[in-house]
Amino acid sequence: GAGVSQSPRYKVAKRGQDVALRCDPISGHVSLFWYQQALGQGPEFLTYFQNEAQLDKSGLPSDRFFAERPEGSVSTLKIQRTQQEDSAVYLCASSSLRRDEQFFGPGTRLTVL
Amino acid sequence: AQRVTQPEKLLSVFKGAPVELKCNYSYSGSPELFWYVQYSRQRLQLLLRHISRESIKGFTADLNKGETSFHLKKPFAQEEDSAMYYCALFMEYGNKLVFGAGTILRVKS
Repeated sequence: GAGVSQSPRYKVAKRGQDVALRCDPISGHVSLFWYQQALGQGPEFLTYFQNEAQLDKSGLPSDRFFAERPEGSVSTLKIQRTQQEDSAVYLCASSSLRRDEQFFGPGTRLTVL
Repeated sequence: AQRVTQPEKLLSVFKGAPVELKCNYSYSGSPELFWYVQYSRQRLQLLLRHISRESIKGFTADLNKGETSFHLKKPFAQEEDSAMYYCALFMEYGNKLVFGAGTILRVKS
């Protein structure tokens, strides 16, 4: 079946703009994770959903970052008033169980000018 | 704090040579360790996990709790092994993977 998909694949934003990044997990996967990957670094955890419940948002770097998964399927990561330091690849992953193998999407490359 | 360290940014070997990608972790609980791989222009994918104790594409990794290490090994490197490799830790009571910075493996012919 289809894997995790993310859109858009590339996003260029002017500093101060709001952006919304979408993730479609594998159908039936309960757990959904967002990661941020800066250039030359490994992915860093942002937030975790179990179905529609956001159980962990300890990795969100500021209150400008907001994520939701209202129906327990598609998730959106929103960044308000983007800053240059927000430039990174944003990865979404899903898994059938919290501790199980995570399947990653292709990522959204965000560039803030 | 939980941390995963991959000391080498780049490892370059000749085809047929043995490969060892180093990974050390810092975690006081009972960890679950993974190796993820990203081939050129592909997405991040699981290579192997310590609890399954499998050999995938000729790679193996043994969890050494005494040395807090989970090194990835392959006896004979192949050109198609060239990729970025990430070691990752899933905490016993956590909700996330903690990744190392990654090691680029380059296999030369």
